[in-house]
Amino acid sequence: RKEVEQDPGPFNVPEGATVAFNCTYSNSASQSFFWYRQDCRKEPKLLMSVYSSGNEDGRFTAQLNRASQYISLLIRDSKLSDSATYLCVVIPPYNNNDMRFGAGTRLTVKP
Amino acid sequence: NAGVTQTPKFQVLKTGQSMTLQCAQDMNHNSMYWYRQDPGMGLRLIYYSASEGTTDKGEVPNGYNVSRLNKREFSLRLESAAPSQTSVYFCASRDSGIFEQFFGPGTRLTVL
Repeated sequence: RKEVEQDPGPFNVPEGATVAFNCTYSNSASQSFFWYRQDCRKEPKLLMSVYSSGNEDGRFTAQLNRASQYISLLIRDSKLSDSATYLCVVIPPYNNNDMRFGAGTRLTVKP
Repeated sequence: NAGVTQTPKFQVLKTGQSMTLQCAQDMNHNSMYWYRQDPGMGLRLIYYSASEGTTDKGEVPNGYNVSRLNKREFSLRLESAAPSQTSVYFCASRDSGIFEQFFGPGTRLTVL
């Protein structure tokens, strides 16, 4: 089993739609979780951290479910500019330099 | 601030050739990283340098060497390139105590 797994998509949604991505992780002792965004042929950039209590930033909400070992990202009122690949990132408990990336979920928002 | 810069942006090598990928950051970060990204796979850590003067292996270090030249610069060397090393290589850095990593624009490497 991969350490971090994501549905690769693609998710094709109309503008204004709500879309959610899930990501599962294998190491139950992992403590730190993030969502990164990667535009086509560009570098990844931090979108948001995922806290145990959940985290909201404008139209974006990230949640953590430790019991089921998954994190989620919800995007409300999708914009064309949200089209990108969303990478789930987990930091394992044994080394906080060794970030583990999921393969990414591709989102296309259409007019 | 330029952030994290990488050179070259593109490179084509023949099997067996060697080359060095350069990375520099101007954010005074202690930690620097090299990743590779392949289609259908997440970024995978090749090597990292938690602080100036130290380097450690990541998930996929075979076939690579690194040098932390100073606090700003961290290079990745392929001694004898193989087609399996065709990939996009990203350098990243982060500050101590903060998990966010800042990435360079990447180097697209093709090994024929």
